Order: sequence, then structure tokens, then C-alpha cells
Amino acid sequence: SQQGEEDPQALSIQEGENATMNCSYKTSINNLQWYRQNSGRGLVHLILIRSNEREKHSGRLRVTLDTSKKSSSLLITASRAADTASYFCATDEYSTLTFGKGTMLLVSP
Amino acid sequence: SQTIHQWPATLVQPVGSPLSLECTVEGTSNPNLYWYRQAAGRGLQLLFYSVGIGQISSEVPQNLSASRPQDRQFILSSKKLLLSDSGFYLCAWSVTLGDYEQYFGPGTRLTVT
Repeated sequence: SQQGEEDPQALSIQEGENATMNCSYKTSINNLQWYRQNSGRGLVHLILIRSNEREKHSGRLRVTLDTSKKSSSLLITASRAADTASYFCATDEYSTLTFGKGTMLLVSP
Repeated sequence: SQTIHQWPATLVQPVGSPLSLECTVEGTSNPNLYWYRQAAGRGLQLLFYSVGIGQISSEVPQNLSASRPQDRQFILSSKKLLLSDSGFYLCAWSVTLGDYEQYFGPGTRLTVT
């Protein structure tokens, strides 16, 4: 089945730096979503971008979608230690969401 | 506002024992409900979803079953746990299937010994 694949698997940066995570998928989608998961907790929805959108912003988050390349990126600007978490992309395949394996982001003070 | 609950938060069970995990949603009607499993360091695997009372769809064959006895209650069960059932179980709900965000519960950490 189609699955979003995040890249890199892990990312370590310093506070104040930007963090970019990428997601690739295999077939056509209606929308792509990004979620965040703090260690040992449930996932929290961050942003949804539809297939007819190319870019979307929410606070320090910027998501892009390139349907021709079947890829999306999540940019977190001016990162903070509190941004440390795993980030997952999810695509809509048929009637349910399919999640990738995630990118673990570590932001050091 | 909507709230989703899961319990227990952690569970340690011996191999061969039964399992019952419960998920309830408050503040919404006729939600779509989901059970996911997350192995250590891995993504989420959809186990079951439900669009209504008594309606369960299974995504993967496994040692688990799900039931939805009430509109906002979703239960994950097993008659006999296997070591491979260990993991982090997440319940989620959404307004519609697929084309909408999902809201997740806090999860249950299951360790089968």
C-alpha cells in the first residue's frame, strides 16, 4: 500500500536553526497531512495541505507540496527545544490515512 | 470541545492472557474511530477502523479484534496475547474518513512478557 516516507529518519539541530523534513509518496493523493508526536504521547495534527495547494503556512511551520514529484516538505523555522519530537506525514489512500515512519527531530538548547 | 480517552495508559500482560483496551470520545457524534499500533521507532500501522456502531473494518490479519458497542466507544481485544502484540496502541477519531484530520488519544503502552 502507499506509504509516506519521511527523510531524514533523524535530525539534530541547535535552537534557532531551521529544520526541514521531507516526505515522499507513491500514488495520487487528495491531501497530505503532517503530525507531531512527543515521546510516549499521541499524535497531534499540525497542518493539512490539499493537492491543489503548493504551499501553506501555520505559525513557524511551512509546508510545501509538489504533486509532480510526489513529495512534500515541512519547514520549522527558528526551532526551539520544545520542537523536539517525531514528525509524521500522512496521505489519504482510499478511505483511510497512511502514515510514514517519521522523522525524529532533536533540538538542542 | 471534543476529547478522546484511552485506558489503561500502560499494561504489562503475560503471553496467552486476554486483552481489552478501551477508547471513548466525548463532544462529538458518529465519529469515525481508528485503532493504530506503533512499534518502537516505527510509524503507525492501522489495525481497525469503524464508521458506525457495529461496523468494523480490519486492515491487517492479526491476533486482535475490535468492537464498537456504542457510538463513541471503541474496544480493542485479544483472546490470547502474543509477544509480537507488544507496542504502543493509539486510538483516534475523525469527522470523515481519509480527507480530514485525525485526533489522537494519549495511547496505551502494552508490554507482553
